[in-house]
Amino acid sequence: DAMVIQNPRYQVTQFGKPVTLSCSQTLNHNVMYWYQQKSSQAPKLLFHYYDKDFNNEADTPDNFQSRRPNTSFCFLDIRSPGLGDAAMYLCATSGGLDRGYYGYTFGSGTRLTVV
Amino acid sequence: GIQVEQSPPDLILQEGANSTLRCNFSDSVNNLQWFHQNPWGQLINLFYIPSGTKQNGRLSATTVATERYSLLYISSSQTTDSGVYFCAVDSLNNDMRFGAGTRLTVKP
Repeated sequence: DAMVIQNPRYQVTQFGKPVTLSCSQTLNHNVMYWYQQKSSQAPKLLFHYYDKDFNNEADTPDNFQSRRPNTSFCFLDIRSPGLGDAAMYLCATSGGLDRGYYGYTFGSGTRLTVV
Repeated sequence: GIQVEQSPPDLILQEGANSTLRCNFSDSVNNLQWFHQNPWGQLINLFYIPSGTKQNGRLSATTVATERYSLLYISSSQTTDSGVYFCAVDSLNNDMRFGAGTRLTVKP
């Protein structure tokens, strides 16, 4: 089945130690997104890639970076995780307006714990 | 940016009851989706509904784009319907924004 896959499901990292979360998709969607969701809050958009074009939200901290080496994969890098970065990180894809837009598909998320 | 408001924030029902969840948005949208977030955090897409009415089993949704609101109807609620329901909207900028959600508890 076509899907959005996030690895790992759970990630524990040390305070200040760089960590990378990964997302892959088999939907051949051209737009990929990263959302951060803290406990009892709504998901918050961090950034997205439209093809190779990176679009950062104005209030996304510089500590968060992203890479998209090809259509299928997208990575979220947290350069120096703080305790406040503990959250669920959700990856999503969409076909974009030029490919018959049918909404967003989300992965299962990676729950990040910072110790 | 576009604002999304959901009501009510919390809803408690007895099993078998019906409910209506509302989503108001502040600007024209290209996309509107309703999601159910399960206890494990997975966002399950319920409806892609930028306009019109759709039904899927006990769930249905209506979006009136000209009046900038959408409604999610749950009929004959079951305990498995419990969880958080999010409305999310996207303008033309590929930047879907979520409302704060409605936390639904269905009691047996």
